[in-house]
Amino acid sequence: TQLLEQSPQFLSIQEGENLTVYCNSSSVFSSLQWYRQEPGEGPVLLVTVVTGGEVKKLKRLTFQFGDARKDSSLHITAAQPGDTGLYLCAGRISGSARQLTFGSGTQLTVLP
Amino acid sequence: DVKVTQSSRYLVKRTGEKVFLECVQDMDHENMFWYRQDPGLGLRLIYFSYDVKMKEKGDIPEGYSVSREKKERFSLILESASTNQTSMYLCASSPPGGGGVPDTQYFGPGTRLTVL
Repeated sequence: TQLLEQSPQFLSIQEGENLTVYCNSSSVFSSLQWYRQEPGEGPVLLVTVVTGGEVKKLKRLTFQFGDARKDSSLHITAAQPGDTGLYLCAGRISGSARQLTFGSGTQLTVLP
Repeated sequence: DVKVTQSSRYLVKRTGEKVFLECVQDMDHENMFWYRQDPGLGLRLIYFSYDVKMKEKGDIPEGYSVSREKKERFSLILESASTNQTSMYLCASSPPGGGGVPDTQYFGPGTRLTVL
């Protein structure tokens, strides 16, 4: 059983469309991170959110941490082919040690 | 830039062989991690280390061991490879952390291991 469930698992859209990826858990997280992984490479950190209700923007990407710190979302506006990749959420459970728990991932394909 | 390198991009081994996966980081990070990545399962933590010669089990340590003799190097060992260990293996490092905010984990490019 995954502690962090991501949905959808696969997403294929046309360039210019908007999309939202979700990361949900029944556990409370002290912080949550989003990574992007491109083919043949390791994941690279996009953002860290630490406060319930926090919203962070990174150009066309908007990240939100749920008020109860059990869920997060990633919204991409006007997707581009360069956004294609595997998006992973990762969190540190409140009160736990230093390791991260990773979600199952969302494979995004943006078609030109 | 932080650089994490892994000894091989692709590796093919036979069942029962002993397999060594090497990881080296150049940023003097205290923390190092080994994950395996399988479709639909995300990244699962095998072992991690917070200091030289210390190690802690992650979520799926069975069938694996690790070694950290030097700060920059963290090795993953499959004592007797089995077909269910066919996977992508990712190494990561991070600084010690503090203030309650998790530090970035920096990943290597991964080793795709196939056990026949």
